[in-house]
Formats: sequence, C-alpha cells, structure tokens
Amino acid sequence: DAGVIQSPRHEVTEMGQEVTLRCKPISGHNSLFWYRQTMMRGLELLIYFNNNVPIDDSGMPEDRFSAKMPNASFSTLKIQPSEPRDSAVYFCASEREVTDTQYFGPGTRLTVL
Amino acid sequence: KQEVTQIPAALSVPEGENLVLNCSFTDSAIYNLQWFRQDPGKGLTSLLLIQSSQREQTSGRLNASLDKSSGRSTLYIAASQPGDSATYLCAVNDYGQNFVFGPGTRLSVLP
Repeated sequence: DAGVIQSPRHEVTEMGQEVTLRCKPISGHNSLFWYRQTMMRGLELLIYFNNNVPIDDSGMPEDRFSAKMPNASFSTLKIQPSEPRDSAVYFCASEREVTDTQYFGPGTRLTVL
Repeated sequence: KQEVTQIPAALSVPEGENLVLNCSFTDSAIYNLQWFRQDPGKGLTSLLLIQSSQREQTSGRLNASLDKSSGRSTLYIAASQPGDSATYLCAVNDYGQNFVFGPGTRLSVLP
C-alpha cells in the first residue's frame, strides 16, 4: 500500500482565501484523523471519523474549519476564510481499528500570508 | 483533561550509549499509548504501541514500558546510532479515541 496520501504537500495562500487540504487513507482503515502541528501548541487532534462519520470535532478551532469524508477513501479539511494564525503543518492519519496503530501521512505545510 | 509531558525536551548523546526517554500523563484511564518518531519535515512513524493491559513492548533495540497507575511510560533505546536522531513523541489514547500527544524529545546521537 502507498500509505496515507496527502495533497498538496505545501500551500501558500493569502489571508481570506479558502484552503482545502486532501487526504486518502490506507485502504481498509476504518478511522481517519486530522491533526495540526505548530511549534507553540505541538500536535493537536482536530477531528476524527469512524466509518466516514465524524465522531469528535471538539478540536476544530472555530467555524472557519470544516471537514468531510464523503467516502472511505477520501477526506477534506477546509479553512474558509484562512488567517495567518492557521499557518501550521496539517497531518492526516488512519488506523484499521481502535486497538491498532495510527499511520500518518507526510503532512501539508500551510502558510497564510 | 488529559495532559502529556515528556522529559527531557532535548538530549544529545554519543553513539553507542543506551538512553531512556520519559513520558508522563495525568489521567491513568487510557486505552493505549504509542511512541512515535518524527524526522524533520516528515510525518510521524509509529514505533511501539502498548495496550492498557500490557506492561511493555519490544521492537529491535527499542523497549517501551507502561505503568498506568503512576501515569508513566519510558522508551529505552539500546546502543544508540546517528540514524536514531529524531524527535520522539508519545501519545495517549483516552477511551473515546481522544489522542493526546506530548511535546516530544529531540534526540541527537553524535557519531
């Protein structure tokens, strides 16, 4: 398997623009996670899905952030409108079941000017 | 609210040394604990996963222990190598899939 795939790898945008990050989990994995990593706050869980259903979005910072998982092989994290404080590395991870390990994608480095 | 801390924040050792990284968590009601490795500019790679019912896990030169009652886990790296240089993070999985990561320990192994 190719592992967790994220796109784009790098994104530079201007404040106020919409940003969409994409993730393809490992085939057969039932759970998908979105994380954000910054120097100040470390790695934070934003939201996770189980069988394509959002289970816990309490980590989503505010209404500007939204995530969807229309099918088992694709998820998006959208920021609208983006702000400079959203600059971070966003990781997607998947796992087969709750007792299993998480597999991380390479991340998307987002810079909002 | 679960909080995870790691000590030390950074560590530099000569090649060949055995070393211990520490992870502490405040709520002992956990489902499992994982140790990850992160290389600069890369994603996280899982090293070891310890279920709440287990005391330790081993993989090659790595050994991780878990003491739930005291809220502690250690990662032991034997005979360290320059290729082990990376940031090591522990993550606690609360019941309900609430993953909380520690800040990490940045390890440098000098040749």
